[in-house]
Parts: sequence; structure tokens; C-alpha cells
Amino acid sequence: NAGVMQNPRHLVRRRGQEARLRCSPMKGHSHVYWYRQLPEEGLKFMVYLQKENIIDESGMPKERFSAEFPKEGPSILRIQQVVRGDSAAYFCASRPSANNEKLFFGSGTQLSVL
Amino acid sequence: KQEVTQIPAALSVPEGENLVLNCSFTDSAIYNLQWFRQDPGKGLTSLLLIQSSQREQTSGRLNASLDKSSGRSTLYIAASQPGDSATYLCAVRQETSGSRLTFGEGTQLTVNP
Repeated sequence: NAGVMQNPRHLVRRRGQEARLRCSPMKGHSHVYWYRQLPEEGLKFMVYLQKENIIDESGMPKERFSAEFPKEGPSILRIQQVVRGDSAAYFCASRPSANNEKLFFGSGTQLSVL
Repeated sequence: KQEVTQIPAALSVPEGENLVLNCSFTDSAIYNLQWFRQDPGKGLTSLLLIQSSQREQTSGRLNASLDKSSGRSTLYIAASQPGDSATYLCAVRQETSGSRLTFGEGTQLTVNP
């Protein structure tokens, strides 16, 4: 059973481009979280999704950021018109059900905006 | 707004020492508290999870305690080894704000052989 898979591991974008980060949760996991780790800061919650539903997006910036978790395929975090302040490590985590608290994290995507 | 603080920010010890990492949180209305380990370039690994009704959890050489009313948790590592070198993160889940976690900034531990 593979762990949480994130790709790409490293993503370089120029200002104004779009960034698409992918997360495949562990098999059988239907709950996905995205967290962001800015340089010299702790992890900050962004969004919580279940299949086809956004449950909690209270940590998402109001503009340029969106997330989805379709019925088939990985969860996608999309950042439009990236700026240098978006440079960070983006981590995805999954858990199997609402009753199971244990989170499994991916290795993250390091986004660098030039 | 919940704030989680971890002290110290960095710690360097010789192999074999017992050590304590501290975590404090400002809002005691928590659902649970977790300790994670983060290795460079890798994701987080869950070490211990303490429910709000529990006082402590143990796994091998690790023991985590929780004093909910005072807003504190400690992670005790016995007989430290170089392989324990990593960043240790504390995270809390609130009672009433869904399942998201609020993380501390971590303690970077180095165990020297």
C-alpha cells in the first residue's frame, strides 16, 4: 500500500504562471488535507476535502487558490498567477475516515516562484 | 484563535540522553493533540496522538503527556539516538473548528554520536 503520493516534488514557476500540485491519497482514504509551510514558519492549514466536496476551506487565500478532489483521480491544488510569496512547501495528508484521526502525510511539493 | 508554541526551537544533545520537548497552546478547548516527526525533505510522520480525555500516550522510547487545563504537552524521548535527529512538531485539533490541525513551529533536535 503506497503512501500519500505528491507530485511534482519540486516545481518552478515564473510570476504570473499557474501551478498545479497533485496529491494521491493512500488507498482507501477519502479525506484529504492541504497544508502550506512557508520559510521559517510552521505548517498552516489550507483546505479539507472529501471526494467531490470541499468541507473546510477556511485556510485558503480568497483569490488565486482553488482545490478539488474529484470522484476519480488525485486531489489538485491550483494556484493561478503565482507570486513570489507563494513559494513554500505544500503538503498533502490523508486519512481513511472521519472516525480515524491518524493522518498520513506526503513528502510535499516545493514550489519556487522566480 | 489558537496559538501553539514549542520550546526550545532547537536542541542538541549527546547520544544516550533523555530529553523533553515542550508544547503549549493558548486555547484549552482541544479535541486532541498530536506529535509528529519531520525529516528533511520528507513529510510528517505521526508519532503519538492524545485524546483530550487522556493524560499520556507511550510508544517505545517516546512518551507524550497532556495537561489540557494548563495548555501544555511534553514529549519525552528516552535514551536518545542519532536516528532521532529530526524536527518534532506538535499539533492540536480544536473541539469546535472541524478536523484541521494547528501546528507549532517545531523543535529541531540533533542527537550527536
